[in-house]
Amino acid sequence: AQSVSQHNHHVILSEAASLELGCNYSYGGTVNLFWYVQYPGQHLQLLLKYFSGDPLVKGIKGFEAEFIKSKFSFNLRKPSVQWSDTAEYFCAVTLNFGNEKLTFGTGTRLTIIP
Amino acid sequence: NAGVTQTPKFRVLKTGQSMTLLCAQDMNHEYMYWYRQDPGMGLRLIHYSVGEGTTAKGEVPDGYNVSRLKKQNFLLGLESAAPSQTSVYFCASSSPPGEQYFGPGTRLTVT
Repeated sequence: AQSVSQHNHHVILSEAASLELGCNYSYGGTVNLFWYVQYPGQHLQLLLKYFSGDPLVKGIKGFEAEFIKSKFSFNLRKPSVQWSDTAEYFCAVTLNFGNEKLTFGTGTRLTIIP
Repeated sequence: NAGVTQTPKFRVLKTGQSMTLLCAQDMNHEYMYWYRQDPGMGLRLIHYSVGEGTTAKGEVPDGYNVSRLKKQNFLLGLESAAPSQTSVYFCASSSPPGEQYFGPGTRLTVT
């Protein structure tokens, strides 16, 4: 079974700092990859997704992620964070076929200090 | 479109009581899911359904049952609630190979 690792449990940054959140998955086959965000008290929303093609994926609110197949990684980046980015971020993977189940990482809590 | 809705939003149960959580989606999605979210553990899949009348077990199915009698609805039942089932429950739906859309969640406390 596939698994997803997010090694940063809590990240604290000042506004305007650059962000990179790590995500590694364990599965040797073709996968679909996602980053979801959960703002305080809200439900999960999709930030971006990768199915195929250009490994650099751009999402909403200035976020991007790079799929590096050789490293089994899909790290999330943002060049300059804002206070409103304070949230919990979840990486998730599903198999390219039989893709009915998402496997989530444990999440990274991001706190932005004004 | 309302997207994915869940009822109720909050519930407190005593140990041993039963309840049903309702999830509804208006996007004509084939797939529906129930997750629980606990601190430090991310989201864990309880049960899911790939179509009307079908259900399957996820990662943590024990103590829960589900039914998908109509395409737009997915019910999660707790027959005999336990304190370990205190959690936030999220429903989601999708059409393959797309993203999952999540509901607002149900916060359940079992005392």
